[in-house]
Amino acid sequence: QSALTQPPSASGSPGQSVTISCTGTSSDVGGYDYVSWFQQHPGKAPKLMIYEVGQRPSGVPDRFSGSKSGNTASLTVSGLLAEDEADYYCSSYAGSNNLVFGGGTKLTVL
Amino acid sequence: QAQLVESGGGVVQPGRSLRLSCAASGFTFSAYGMHWVRQAPGKGLEWVAGIWHDARDRYHTDSVKGRFIISRDNSKNTLFLQMNSLSAEDTAVYYCTRESSTSGWGAYDVWGRGTMVTVSS
Repeated sequence: QSALTQPPSASGSPGQSVTISCTGTSSDVGGYDYVSWFQQHPGKAPKLMIYEVGQRPSGVPDRFSGSKSGNTASLTVSGLLAEDEADYYCSSYAGSNNLVFGGGTKLTVL
Repeated sequence: QAQLVESGGGVVQPGRSLRLSCAASGFTFSAYGMHWVRQAPGKGLEWVAGIWHDARDRYHTDSVKGRFIISRDNSKNTLFLQMNSLSAEDTAVYYCTRESSTSGWGAYDVWGRGTMVTVSS
C-alpha cells in the first residue's frame, strides 16, 4: 500500500485559514468515507481531529473541518492559533483490512 | 478517563523477538477494537495491526505479516504485539490506540504515549 500524498509543509498567519490536502486513489480516499486527520505536537502522541471525512470528535474546536472530493481529502484550519502549529497526518481505509497514512504536513503559524 | 500505557520496548538485536504490551484503563476494554501504529524516528505514522473487540479477527500490514502477531486478553484489559525476526526497519515508537466505538477504520480516539523499539546490533 502506498502512502497518501500530503504537502510537506503549510503555513499561515494567526487568524488566517489554511487547507492541507491529502491525495490518494480510488482504492483508498476515493473509495471510502473513512478518512481521518491527526494532529501531532513534537514528542507527543497523535490526536484525532477529524474522522469519517468531516466528523469532529467531542472537544475538537469547530475551527477544524474536513472534506473530500474524488481522491483528495482536505483539512481546513480556520482562525489559526499559535497552538495549531504541529504535524498533521491524514489516513484512509484502503480496503482488504488495511489502513494507510499520509506522509505528514508540518503546519507553521507565522 | 480512558488511558493506554505501553510497555516492553527496548534495544534488541536483528533477528530477535520482543513482546509489547498495552494496559488499558478507564473504559470497557472488551468493547473496543484496538490497533498498533508505529512511527520511525523523524518519519510519519504507519498502521501496523488491528484486532476486533472480541479477538475474532485480526489484521496486519503486509510488511509485518508472518513476523508480528497482535493479540489481546480482555480479562486483563491488555493488548499485545508479538514481534519476531526484527530488523532495523522495525525501529520505531510503537503506539497502542483505541478505535472509536461509533466509527470504523482510522477513528483512533485514544492513544498511549508509545514505547520505543530499537533494532540494532
